[in-house]
Amino acid sequence: DIQMTQSPSTLSASVGDRVTITCRASQSISSWLAWYQQKPGKAPKLLIYKASSLESGVPSRFSGSGSGTEFTLTISSLQPDDFATYYCQQYNSYFTFGGGTKVEIK
Amino acid sequence: QVTLRESGPALVKPTQTLTLTCTFSGFSLSTSGMCVSWIRQPPGKALEWLARIDWDDDKYYSTSLKTRLTISKDTSKNQVVLTMTNMDPVDTATYYCARTTTIFGVVIPFDYWGQGTLVTVSS
Repeated sequence: DIQMTQSPSTLSASVGDRVTITCRASQSISSWLAWYQQKPGKAPKLLIYKASSLESGVPSRFSGSGSGTEFTLTISSLQPDDFATYYCQQYNSYFTFGGGTKVEIK
Repeated sequence: QVTLRESGPALVKPTQTLTLTCTFSGFSLSTSGMCVSWIRQPPGKALEWLARIDWDDDKYYSTSLKTRLTISKDTSKNQVVLTMTNMDPVDTATYYCARTTTIFGVVIPFDYWGQGTLVTVSS
């Protein structure tokens, strides 16, 4: 099974900060990677698919990059609505989620 | 408008079998490229994919849980059913169903989710 490792597990940041979250796959997954945002008590929301494609309706401050085993999610200027937990997910072979990164207010 | 909704018991006893139903609208599971998956999330923990069923009735299961899971669909009712046998307190979680679609040959995973249903396993 493919394992997904996210870092950091928690990130403290301020509004306006540039934020980067890293996701590493245990083997190459090409570009078959998605990113989700989840707020407490809510279902996850798809942000990015195929490593860098922005889902319809998602603000352009979110961007994704990477291929193979190393991927990043970047929020160019953190907004109040962005404080949440973020998950990466591979879909090269079945599906596996990372452990999550909680973005909290500094 | 695409919607999914999970339904099932809120409480099950250890060793019992859990049956969850995902009722969806706004798409057809007979359309090529459409899939529905079940995902769960224990309280305060990460997401875990459980099973997937495709438009052509292909089925896929989590390696660690495949002996306990069965997924099926009723296309006429727009429903996907998941059964999980031999429930244990560690299976306490919010269970979600979610859609995967393919647009112009590109797979888009989990673009729509249900609101989730919390299942507690306790005697």
